Amino acid sequence: DAGVTQSPTHLIKTRGQQVTLRCSPKSGHDTVSWYQQALGQGPQFIFQYYEEEERQRGNFPDRFSGHQFPNYSSELNVNALLLGDSALYLCASSLLPRSYGYTFGSGTRLTVV
Amino acid sequence: QKEVEQDPGPLSVPEGAIVSLNCTYSNSAFQYFMWYRQYSRKGPELLMYTYSSGNKEDGRFTAQVDKSSKYISLFIRDSQPSDSATYLCAIGRTGFQKLVFGTGTRLLVSP
Repeated sequence: DAGVTQSPTHLIKTRGQQVTLRCSPKSGHDTVSWYQQALGQGPQFIFQYYEEEERQRGNFPDRFSGHQFPNYSSELNVNALLLGDSALYLCASSLLPRSYGYTFGSGTRLTVV
Repeated sequence: QKEVEQDPGPLSVPEGAIVSLNCTYSNSAFQYFMWYRQYSRKGPELLMYTYSSGNKEDGRFTAQVDKSSKYISLFIRDSQPSDSATYLCAIGRTGFQKLVFGTGTRLLVSP
């Protein structure tokens, strides 16, 4: 049974560029949450998607946007990249929005130069 | 004030020691308390999940929640080198989808 799959694993982008990260949730899960984890810090909540809608958003600017597809997979888009966007981006899936039984993927390491 | 505080460590112990990891939080509305383990270059893995106050035991791991003190703990008995990782506490509240994480405590268990 596959867990949460994220792609790509690593990415290097230049300031000002745009990036798209992808996530396939664990089989049977219908809710996807995205977190940003800076080096030496705990994950910070970006937003959560359920039924193809953004259900809640953390303190991140509009440059961060997302999408959920009918098969429950999700994308995270970041526009106008800043050096400070360099981090590990984690996708977590769960069954239903209010379930805290998250399964995390291994993340996408984004480096902005 | 941060919503949850956690000592970043590192915490170094010999194999077989009892490890105590702790977090404090500021908002009494939080009701869900979790501990995650994160190995280097991996995503967090859920270890323990408790609701409200009390203790929960799973093998060598015990999670403890004291809502009156806003203090949560994770105890690891008979620690092993394979327990070397970063341990993250996380808290949640009804009606809010996000988890709030501590900064993580890095644990090193030496053989």
